[in-house]
Amino acid sequence: QLQLRESGPGLVKPSETLSLTCNVSGGSLTSSSYYWGWVRQPPGKGLEWIGSGSTHYNPSLKSRVTIAVDTSKNQFSLRLTSVTASDTAVYFCWVETAYYYGIDVWGQGTAVTVSS
Amino acid sequence: EIVLTQSPGTLSLSPGERATLSCRASQSVSSSYLAWYQQRPGQAPRLLIYAASSRATGIPDRFSGRGSGTDFTLTITRLEPEDSAVYFCQQYGDSPWTFGPGTKVEIK
Repeated sequence: QLQLRESGPGLVKPSETLSLTCNVSGGSLTSSSYYWGWVRQPPGKGLEWIGSGSTHYNPSLKSRVTIAVDTSKNQFSLRLTSVTASDTAVYFCWVETAYYYGIDVWGQGTAVTVSS
Repeated sequence: EIVLTQSPGTLSLSPGERATLSCRASQSVSSSYLAWYQQRPGQAPRLLIYAASSRATGIPDRFSGRGSGTDFTLTITRLEPEDSAVYFCQQYGDSPWTFGPGTKVEIK
């Protein structure tokens, strides 16, 4: 059973870089049918797609975001530069295990606060 | 960007009743690549329906989806207390993927 776990600092200062890692267990990111990415949810608000794979990003974040995969460690990461208070959110990593199946595996989420 | 609108904002129903949730897209959703998720407080979203009408693995048949083009519906029959949650629709046929603002279902 595929499981995901996010890790990273819970507090980031304004203008700095937010870095999170998603560790994958119970399956391999080298699987040709897996697609992965990140979604975030500001406090009390809805879900916002950040990006998928290493090439598809939300246009509103594209200039600041990078998603990278490390298959040797079976993990993928999120970098978001020049953060502001509006980047405060719970960040979820996710995997779609079959083509066009929807996001069927989610991490538990990790809360990140941007504050000095 | 495809904008998704969900209605109603909140639905308050009794156990055993039927809930009907609407998701409307600003333009046609490619190949009906529309999903529905349930999110309980403090939890990650859970996939209920994909491709507009297919139930995800392990989802009870009380949950059903239908629709195409710009209009989609999630129906929950025989409501149970555990169905109390926020339900989001999402289109994943076109980039950027987008989510609706959610419908909160309250069980009286």
